[in-house]
Amino acid sequence: GAGVSQSPSNKVTEKGKDVELRCDPISGHTALYWYRQRLGQGLEFLIYFQGNSAPDKSGLPSDRFSAERTGESVSTLTIQRTQQEDSAVYLCASSSDRVSYEQYFGPGTRLTVT
Amino acid sequence: AQTVTQSQPEMSVQEAETVTLSCTYDTSESDYYLFWYKQPPSRQMILVIRQEAYKQQNATENRFSVNFQKAAKSFSLKISDSQLGDAAMYFCAYRSRNTGKLIFGQGTTLQVKP
Repeated sequence: GAGVSQSPSNKVTEKGKDVELRCDPISGHTALYWYRQRLGQGLEFLIYFQGNSAPDKSGLPSDRFSAERTGESVSTLTIQRTQQEDSAVYLCASSSDRVSYEQYFGPGTRLTVT
Repeated sequence: AQTVTQSQPEMSVQEAETVTLSCTYDTSESDYYLFWYKQPPSRQMILVIRQEAYKQQNATENRFSVNFQKAAKSFSLKISDSQLGDAAMYFCAYRSRNTGKLIFGQGTTLQVKP
């Protein structure tokens, strides 16, 4: 079946604007994750949704960042009042259940804040 | 908090030769998972190999194998018979037993020379 998809692939925005990044997980996957990857760096965990449980937001860097998920489907990561340091690739991943250890990643959204 | 360290920013190997990528981690937990992911220029994260901490036997997937030293908190990746398609950034990652979020190292860029 289809893998994890993300849109847009690339996004250029001006400092101070809000942006929304979208993730469509693999159908049937109950867990969904967002990570941030700055240029040449490893991935940083942002937030994790698992079924109907409260999301783990421990990785969100500031209150400008928020994410929502509709049931077990689409998720949107919103960054308000973007700053230049928000420039990065934002990767989404999904997995089939909480104890499953394989996360399937999307191709990411490259965000550039000018 | 758990941390993952990859001390080799860049490595190179001759085609058909063997290369070992290093990874160390810090944790107070006894039960966890360890992973190696490959990220080619396409940005797509690909799972290479995984290891469950309670298993003493080192994981192997075709040309990829790990040397898991639990007491030393070391988890290196050996790539045998290197191929041009192995050129990519490689990330070591840690995951606790009870949570889905992955903690990544900074990555090692592998160059394969023909």
